Amino acid sequence: DVKVTQSSRYLVKRTGEKVFLECVQDMDHENMFWYRQDPGLGLRLIYFSYDVKMKEKGDIPEGYSVSREKKERFSLILESASTNQTSMYLCASSPGQGAGQPQHFGDGTRLSIL
Amino acid sequence: AQSVTQPDIHITVSEGASLELRCNYSYGATPYLFWYVQSPGQGLQLLLKYFSGDTLVQGIKGFEAEFKRSQSSFNLRKPSVHWSDAAEYFCAVRKTSYDKVIFGPGTSLSVIP
Repeated sequence: DVKVTQSSRYLVKRTGEKVFLECVQDMDHENMFWYRQDPGLGLRLIYFSYDVKMKEKGDIPEGYSVSREKKERFSLILESASTNQTSMYLCASSPGQGAGQPQHFGDGTRLSIL
Repeated sequence: AQSVTQPDIHITVSEGASLELRCNYSYGATPYLFWYVQSPGQGLQLLLKYFSGDTLVQGIKGFEAEFKRSQSSFNLRKPSVHWSDAAEYFCAVRKTSYDKVIFGPGTSLSVIP
């Protein structure tokens, strides 16, 4: 089975801190994604990557950046955390470019910014 | 713009009762359609998907979904709900390989023993 591992289940940080969320997948998938999940809004795409060192903005990239130095690892960075970034963050991966390929999700990181 | 709606924010059913969760999408052609489930404290898990062919698709955990082109709908069904089905359910669509996956807002399911 595909395993997508997010480094932290729960994280508490302070306003203004630089925050790193890490995600690792073990199935050699080309595509990786970062979403945030808020009640009533579903999943919103922050950034995605189709290959190493490639990144594309999603729907809500403001205040975030990403890094993909290795194929299996995709990091989300909050440059200067703010309280409105308190949310559940989900990482996902999928193989290749096939439209029918489903995404495989990690268990999420619940981030609180105080 | 492409969108996905799930009209029911929250549904409560009794254990053993049947279930139908609604999903509608706005897109002229038939997109790729998915249903995911999210159990408390976990990520999303794929239940089933539809691309073409038979409009009734079977998934895991006893779920099925029916694609109706005329109604732009892809409703999820289960004949007999179990307490372990209590979760959040997301419908998702994708037009082509070059498009992002669009998720609906989700439907929260509660199951009464």
